[in-house]
Amino acid sequence: GQQLNQSPQSMFIQEGEDVSMNCTSSSIFNTWLWYKQDPGEGPVLLIALYKAGELTSNGRLTAQFGITRKDSFLNISASIPSDVGIYFCAGREFYGGSQGNLIFGKGTKLSVKP
Amino acid sequence: DVKVTQSSRYLVKRTGEKVFLECVQDMDHENMFWYRQDPGLGLRLIYFSYDVKMKEKGDIPEGYSVSREKKERFSLILESASTNQTSMYLCASSPRQGASYNEQFFGPGTRLTVL
Repeated sequence: GQQLNQSPQSMFIQEGEDVSMNCTSSSIFNTWLWYKQDPGEGPVLLIALYKAGELTSNGRLTAQFGITRKDSFLNISASIPSDVGIYFCAGREFYGGSQGNLIFGKGTKLSVKP
Repeated sequence: DVKVTQSSRYLVKRTGEKVFLECVQDMDHENMFWYRQDPGLGLRLIYFSYDVKMKEKGDIPEGYSVSREKKERFSLILESASTNQTSMYLCASSPRQGASYNEQFFGPGTRLTVL
């Protein structure tokens, strides 16, 4: 089935750095979501995007719904240690799927630089 | 505060046992989902339900069944647990309509080990 390509797979951050990650699909999406998962916990919804070009912020997090409808970006500004975790993108195809079903990326693991 | 709860955080079972994983949501959501999460494979959909008594297969339903007798509760059943079902199991729910109908809210997960 449809897969989302999320990159990078992992990255190391130093406190204060800005972080960027993205997700791409081969088909058009009508929804993009970004989740964060802490170790041993379930994913928590950070930002939801519903319109092409939409830019939405949640504190230091900003996400964008790509103009082509085939990608989305998440930026974290001025990272802090509690930003560590796994970030997942998820989306719903414009033409496909049963109602409510999401397709997930494999995650970007954010770790602190030693 | 909206919530999805799962009956156990950690579970250890033996091969061949019947295993029940319970999920309850208090958001009056119509849709409920069961996923498993494995390193390198991401989240994979096992089963989902749009309403009471309704169920549909996801991407990997083999070896699992589900039950939805009440709107707020969605159970995942492993009829005869096997070692390859050792995984993190995540339950989620979402509304059927409205501006947030695509937004799934997850429970804390159940880490199941089958010996």
